[in-house]
Amino acid sequence: NAGVMQNPRHLVRRRGQEARLRCSPMKGHSHVYWYRQLPEEGLKFMVYLQKENIIDESGMPKERFSAEFPKEGPSILRIQQVVRGDSAAYFCASSDLDRNSPLHFGNGTRLTVT
Amino acid sequence: DAKTTQPPSMDCAEGRAANLPCNHSTISGNEYVYWYRQIHSQGPQYIIHGLKNNETNEMASLIITEDRKSSTLILPHATLRDTAVYYCIVRVEGHNYGQNFVFGPGTRLSVLP
Repeated sequence: NAGVMQNPRHLVRRRGQEARLRCSPMKGHSHVYWYRQLPEEGLKFMVYLQKENIIDESGMPKERFSAEFPKEGPSILRIQQVVRGDSAAYFCASSDLDRNSPLHFGNGTRLTVT
Repeated sequence: DAKTTQPPSMDCAEGRAANLPCNHSTISGNEYVYWYRQIHSQGPQYIIHGLKNNETNEMASLIITEDRKSSTLILPHATLRDTAVYYCIVRVEGHNYGQNFVFGPGTRLSVLP
């Protein structure tokens, strides 16, 4: 049973470019979460999605960041016009329908903005 | 904010049991306790979770006090590969659902040879 798959593992973008991060949840999981971890800091919640719906995006920056989880295919976290402060590790997690089920995390995408 | 408090760091000798404490004095009756660990540069790894009974799996044991205000994660025979930051999490009720899995600073466990 494959775990949460994220790609790419490492992504380098120049300032002003767009970054697209992909996350395939565990088989059977319909809930996806995105977290960000800045260097030497803790994990911070960004957004929670179910298929075709954004349930909670209260942790997302107001501009340049968007997320989707289409009916088919992986969840995408998109960062437009990246700046150096966006450099971080971005982790995706998934869970099943049970509210008390644990989240299972991928190994993240490390974004470096030059 | 996280609903849990943990010591910032601990050391453990290789081969000995590592006992990681967590305080969650404001936990509600239907809230589970979850433990994760993060080894440098990897994603958080789920370890175990429980409600009120003690739990054991292939990785660890979770001991929850009778009043549920604290718990202890036990790694029975720590190895060097268990060196990591360990997070104790209680879902935060009353927030938007997505925000309720809040990571605090955790405990940095160093297993020493």
